[in-house]
Amino acid sequence: EAQVTQNPRYLITVTGKKLTVTCSQNMNHEYMSWYRQDPGLGLRQIYYSMNVEVTDKGDVPEGYKVSRKEKRNFPLILESPSPNQTSLYFCASSWQGGNYGYTFGSGTRLTVV
Amino acid sequence: GNSVTQMEGPVTLSEEAFLTINCTYTATGYPSLFWYVQYPGEGLQLLLKATKADDKGSNKGFEATYRKETTSFHLEKGSVQVSDSAVYFCALSDLKSGANSKLTFGKGITLSVRP
Repeated sequence: EAQVTQNPRYLITVTGKKLTVTCSQNMNHEYMSWYRQDPGLGLRQIYYSMNVEVTDKGDVPEGYKVSRKEKRNFPLILESPSPNQTSLYFCASSWQGGNYGYTFGSGTRLTVV
Repeated sequence: GNSVTQMEGPVTLSEEAFLTINCTYTATGYPSLFWYVQYPGEGLQLLLKATKADDKGSNKGFEATYRKETTSFHLEKGSVQVSDSAVYFCALSDLKSGANSKLTFGKGITLSVRP
């Protein structure tokens, strides 16, 4: 089944403790992206990747890092999480970028206390 | 920059009622337009899309027409079901944004359908 898999689904952590949210797709998509969803703000792009070793900032990249060492994986790294990063995070992938529609993962609900 | 404006919610309807969810956009280029749906506890799913003016996207009884003259992409369904209860997002992607053809989302609207 074609899908984007995120882990974990739920995570509660403390301020400053480094964490990684994994994302993997099995569709051989070149384009991957991370979004965060906040009430009243919709979804905002954090980072994106056009291909292996090619990443760039989205609209809200502060406090996040990403890497793309393999085509299928695109982890999101929070080096020192803060409470304002409490949010619902989605990974998405696409064959040729947003114009063709993205496939989204099921989401990771992160709480930073 | 690009932006998407959706009507305020939430929306509550009775089963078999007619649904319209308004969406207007601002874009500098020639965007593709999308409706995504998010069922409770799940990720976003592409519901329908249109890639040029006057195109009509349709899926699962939902329809939306790309209206360039009014910069709108309103979502309609003739007879909603309880299973249509979800959050609906209008979005655009603009080729002119270059390599990052990211999705710009509206704020989403929650639809609840009563039996």
